[in-house]
Order: sequence, then C-alpha cells, then structure tokens
Amino acid sequence: KQEVTQIPAALSVPEGENLVLNCSFTDSAIYNLQWFRQDPGKGLTSLLLIQSSQREQTSGRLNASLDKSSGRSTLYIAASQPGDSATYLCAVKRQAGTALIFGKGTTLSVSS
Amino acid sequence: DTAVSQTPKYLVTQMGNDKSIKCEQNLGHDTMYWYKQDSKKFLKIMFSYNNKELIINETVPNRFSPKSPDKAHLNLHINSLELGDSAVYFCASSPRGVRNSPLHFGNGTRLTVT
Repeated sequence: KQEVTQIPAALSVPEGENLVLNCSFTDSAIYNLQWFRQDPGKGLTSLLLIQSSQREQTSGRLNASLDKSSGRSTLYIAASQPGDSATYLCAVKRQAGTALIFGKGTTLSVSS
Repeated sequence: DTAVSQTPKYLVTQMGNDKSIKCEQNLGHDTMYWYKQDSKKFLKIMFSYNNKELIINETVPNRFSPKSPDKAHLNLHINSLELGDSAVYFCASSPRGVRNSPLHFGNGTRLTVT
C-alpha cells in the first residue's frame, strides 16, 4: 500500500531564504508525482507535476526533483516571500486511472 | 471563470439529516473525484467517476452515494449524517489519458455536523 510522508510538518523561515520541502513514498512504482499548494479556506492549486520518467520540473522560483529508486521528491523554493506562506502537499499517482495519494503536507510560514 | 465549482461552501446540519454537495467543472474533463480532508488536514480519495461511470470507490460508508448525471457534474449525497462526517470535501477533475495534466480542485465544502 502506497504511503506518502512529508517532512517537516511545519516550517518557519525569514523572507529571502531558500528552502527545501521533503516528500517520501513507500512504493517506487509511480505514474507521476504532483506538488500542490493549499491556502487557508481554499482548494488545492497544482504547482508542479513530474512524470515517472522525469528527474525534475521547474516553474519560476520552484524546482521539484524526483528520485524514484529512493522514493523521494523535494520541492525547492528559492528566495522565499511572505506570499509563499501556505501548506504544500505532495501526492503520487500509482498508475493511470488511479487517484492521487496525498501526504499530510508541510505548512510554511515566511515572515517579512 | 471558476473551473471546478462546489456548492455550498459551508454546510452546517444536525446528526441524522441527509444532505447533498454539488460539483461542476467547465474544463471538459472526463474524470471527476471526491476527496475528504479531515481535521488533521489529511486528504483521502473517496470516489472517482469517468464519463459518468464509477471507477474508484474507496472504503467509504454506503451512506455516501455519488451521482454523476453527466461528465461535467459529480454530486455527493450523504444519508444519516454522523459527527465523524464533519470535514472539508473537495471535488476535483482531470482529463483522462493525459499524462502531464494535473488535478484541478474546487474550493471545498466545509461540512459541520452537530
């Protein structure tokens, strides 16, 4: 059974810092991995999607990496801003047609 | 334009009542989902429909019954509500067979059972 773990559960940093959020999964046979952002009282917004054949994806200040063999992904946020404050969720899809399995998220707080 | 919309946003009701949550997507996606986010913020899949056909049904009490009148709508009906049903319910959609297309979520329905 696939399980997704995110560490740390919460993180507070000053503005301008570079930071890394970690995600691990127990079954390396995945179809893709997605990172989402959730703001309080809102739905989830997709940030990055990495296919199983890819090693990383980049969007602006965000970079996500995938190491299937070790069951790990990282989300790197460069030059953090207060607007980055949110909960970041990692999710994996086992195969096409199956649902995403989510981690419990990392709640990030960036202070100005 | 809201891509995935859910109504109502908030729902407060008493134990034993029956309630429905509606979801509509205007993205032309074939697949729709219902997820439950509990008080610890853990998101768990409940159901998935593809072109009005149920394809995923996790271990969910049969008091929960999804209904898909067409591929743009997936409603969730809950009978005999219990305190433990209090949570935020998210609807989501995705296109079928498009590998690099992420899931699109609605803003959630916060259900409180008293």
